[in-house]
Amino acid sequence: NAGVTQTPKFQVLKTGQSMTLQCAQDMNHEYMSWYRQDPGMGLRLIHYSVGAGITDQGEVPNGYNVSRSTTEDFPLRLLSAAPSQTSVYFCASSPTRRVGNTIYFGEGSWLTVV
Amino acid sequence: GENVEQHPSTLSVQEGDSAVIKCTYSDSASNYFPWYKQELGKGPQLIIDIRSNVGEKKDQRIAVTLNKTAKHFSLHITETQPEDSAVYFCAADASSNSGYALNFGKGTSLLVTP
Repeated sequence: NAGVTQTPKFQVLKTGQSMTLQCAQDMNHEYMSWYRQDPGMGLRLIHYSVGAGITDQGEVPNGYNVSRSTTEDFPLRLLSAAPSQTSVYFCASSPTRRVGNTIYFGEGSWLTVV
Repeated sequence: GENVEQHPSTLSVQEGDSAVIKCTYSDSASNYFPWYKQELGKGPQLIIDIRSNVGEKKDQRIAVTLNKTAKHFSLHITETQPEDSAVYFCAADASSNSGYALNFGKGTSLLVTP
């Protein structure tokens, strides 16, 4: 069982560069989301998707884009990276959007913007 | 999002002792309260959860209590072991008509010393 797979694990970007964090899940989960984790801030929701073709904003969406063309994949795009986006990013999935479903997290992607 | 306050931020106990982590939440509509354990370099992993119609739940050495009137819930770990050392996050659902989301506390770093 691969679960939730994120790539890359580590990335260094220069300010203004763009990149995509990849996320894939092999559990046929309907619900996928992206969180960022900063020291002393816990995890904060960036964007989420309740199914293919449907995305919505979370608590901290500015500077990030997402799309959900398939059930399996949910990439996170940084169009013009800023130092404030230095963080650890976690992709997560859940069987459905129903409250109480277990949310499974990937291993994380460490991003540094210089 | 709605606040979830978590205390303490760090906790050090001796092996065999108990550890208690407390959280409060502000959204009276929250009905689902999971606890996640995050080991160094890994993604958060669900260890136990509780729903609003239950006051207490146990799973071996781990228990969670919920006081919905007071809007607080706690994690209790008994007979702690060095492998319990990790960061623990509490969360409360912050769902809307459009999706399922969790608001996380800022985490508690638990150290169990032999």
